[in-house]
Amino acid sequence: GIQVEQSPPDLILQEGANSTLRCNFSDSVNNLQWFHQNPWGQLINLFYIPSGTKQNGRLSATTVATERYSLLYISSSQTTDSGVYFCAVGDGAGGTSYGKLTFGQGTILTVHP
Amino acid sequence: GAVVSQHPSWVICKSGTSVKIECRSLDFQATTMFWYRQFPKQSLMLMATSNEGSKATYEQGVEKDKFLINHASLTLSTLTVTSAHPEDSSFYICSATRGWINQPQHFGDGTRLSIL
Repeated sequence: GIQVEQSPPDLILQEGANSTLRCNFSDSVNNLQWFHQNPWGQLINLFYIPSGTKQNGRLSATTVATERYSLLYISSSQTTDSGVYFCAVGDGAGGTSYGKLTFGQGTILTVHP
Repeated sequence: GAVVSQHPSWVICKSGTSVKIECRSLDFQATTMFWYRQFPKQSLMLMATSNEGSKATYEQGVEKDKFLINHASLTLSTLTVTSAHPEDSSFYICSATRGWINQPQHFGDGTRLSIL
């Protein structure tokens, strides 16, 4: 199956700093989503971005599908940005598991005041 | 936006009990739903794919007789953990998609299961 690698595994920032999280994947994808998992376990959907660039406030994401990577940018970080960020990809494989996502191991972000 | 409701959010029960978790798509028809499990400090791992009106497809290593999945309608899938034991304690989370090509998955808030 498809492999997903995220880096860095851990990231510690001071409030106000910018950061870039990376997601590499081993095969072509028809779905790529970035999530923020908060301390209560809720998965917050940040971006659906199988290709191209999107922005939402202080967050933006870029996926270069031909080179099999995606980047999540966080600008002017806040303490509420702390948590685990997951990249998940779907490779479009057929059959009854069509559409399933494979998650990376996540990046643990800690933002200090 | 698309909303997926998962219930209950927290369950504590004795070993040997069977536990049912519901996953509902509130504002769209979900032809496909997925069940994931997450152990502490780990990533989400897919357990099974649930297609409306047909049997679920289980990932390798997931016991289908242990984790019963029913997807009886386009808005509801249930996961029943049968005869739960402490090693089944985990965070279970469902997702739903419209099933059309190239559509995002929408996740429920998860169920934290603790077996004593």
